[in-house]
Amino acid sequence: ELKVEQNPLFLSMQEGKNYTIYCNYSTTSDRLYWYRQDPGKSLESLFVLLSNGAVKQEGRLMASLDTKARLSTLHITAAVHDLSATYFCARGGGADGLTFGKGTHLIIQP
Amino acid sequence: EPEVTQTPSHQVTQMGQEVILRCVPISNHLYFYWYRQILGQKVEFLVSFYNNEISEKSEIFDDQFSVERPDGSNFTLKIRSTKLEDSAMYFCASIPGLYNSPLHFGNGTRLTVT
Repeated sequence: ELKVEQNPLFLSMQEGKNYTIYCNYSTTSDRLYWYRQDPGKSLESLFVLLSNGAVKQEGRLMASLDTKARLSTLHITAAVHDLSATYFCARGGGADGLTFGKGTHLIIQP
Repeated sequence: EPEVTQTPSHQVTQMGQEVILRCVPISNHLYFYWYRQILGQKVEFLVSFYNNEISEKSEIFDDQFSVERPDGSNFTLKIRSTKLEDSAMYFCASIPGLYNSPLHFGNGTRLTVT
């Protein structure tokens, strides 16, 4: 059974700071996804990581994948309030669907 | 940009009643999914659907649940006899092909069972 664990589950940080969210998963498989969810809203795709060593960046967010360590990270650089949201990582895909982590609830304070 | 649309946005029903949640996936997409998210919790896979039949389903997707693509555009999730614990946000999602594409999620239907 594929398990996906995120930490931290809750993070409060100040604007301008850097931080990293970690996503560990239990079985080898390709494809790691990061999603963002604003309160009461849908899930917005941020990144798709397809292979070991993959790194993708969009604005202040950067995601990476280490398949040997079964670890993905989402790094936030110089956080701004607009990045406050819940961030989910997910593995798997295809007909089996995605297995999501519990999400990291991120609050960025001025 | 094409979107996955879901209706209604909020449905309130009494325990034991049947509900149908509706979704219109993106038109050229081939694979369709239903997920649910109990308030404040993680997103859980319910079922995947391809070529007019279920591909995979989770343990959550028991005999009370069914899916259908009745007319080539709509994709529905039916809960036959709702329970209190069915209260959740239900998301429909679709992808054009199986490999590498992220799921495109709809805005969800909040189901409240009283």
